[in-house]
Amino acid sequence: DSGVTQTPKHLITATGQRVTLRCSPRSGDLSVYWYQQSLDQGLQFLIQYYNGEERAKGNILERFSAQQFPDLHSELNLSSLELGDSALYFCASSRGGRADYNEQFFGPGTRLTVL
Amino acid sequence: AQRVTQPEKLLSVFKGAPVELKCNYSYSGSPELFWYVQYSRQRLQLLLRHISRESIKGFTADLNKGETSFHLKKPFAQEEDSAMYYCALRTRDDKIIFGKGTRLHILP
Repeated sequence: DSGVTQTPKHLITATGQRVTLRCSPRSGDLSVYWYQQSLDQGLQFLIQYYNGEERAKGNILERFSAQQFPDLHSELNLSSLELGDSALYFCASSRGGRADYNEQFFGPGTRLTVL
Repeated sequence: AQRVTQPEKLLSVFKGAPVELKCNYSYSGSPELFWYVQYSRQRLQLLLRHISRESIKGFTADLNKGETSFHLKKPFAQEEDSAMYYCALRTRDDKIIFGKGTRLHILP
């Protein structure tokens, strides 16, 4: 599969814990975007990285952080987890830095459940 | 405030009937707008963008700056159009704001 991949598919953890979600972009894509989808908030943009550097920031909590590595994969770290952090977390990738000139391709998502 | 509103959570339309999925936005500047679609058991994917002025799968969307709307339209619905549709806006500083989505259900 040469598309965007995300691991794990499902994650169940307890409040107060820390988890790391991983995303591998499509081959050749330099940008990675993270989104959170919950029932009440819908799909929310969290953060974008382009070629290893932070490019745009959305509604990302201070308890959350992300990075993009030299091989262009990205990790989203969620710490001090709360019940409200339970959601589907999507990653998307695109060729370049500006979303409009470069179509975003989405991964299948990681479903996080905080108990 | 920057916001994208999709007023309908669910829209049921008979096959062959016209479809209009509403999207209104709030943004102080020139907006860049998109429609994304998620078919059952598939990934979210771009349907169309306003700058391209293209028709994809029979769908079109016109940006109306006066009404701050970007409604998605199709003259004759097909069963395969059943999906979740999201309207999205890209801000000047590259943030993407999504609406909460409308589930389109095409009735046979």
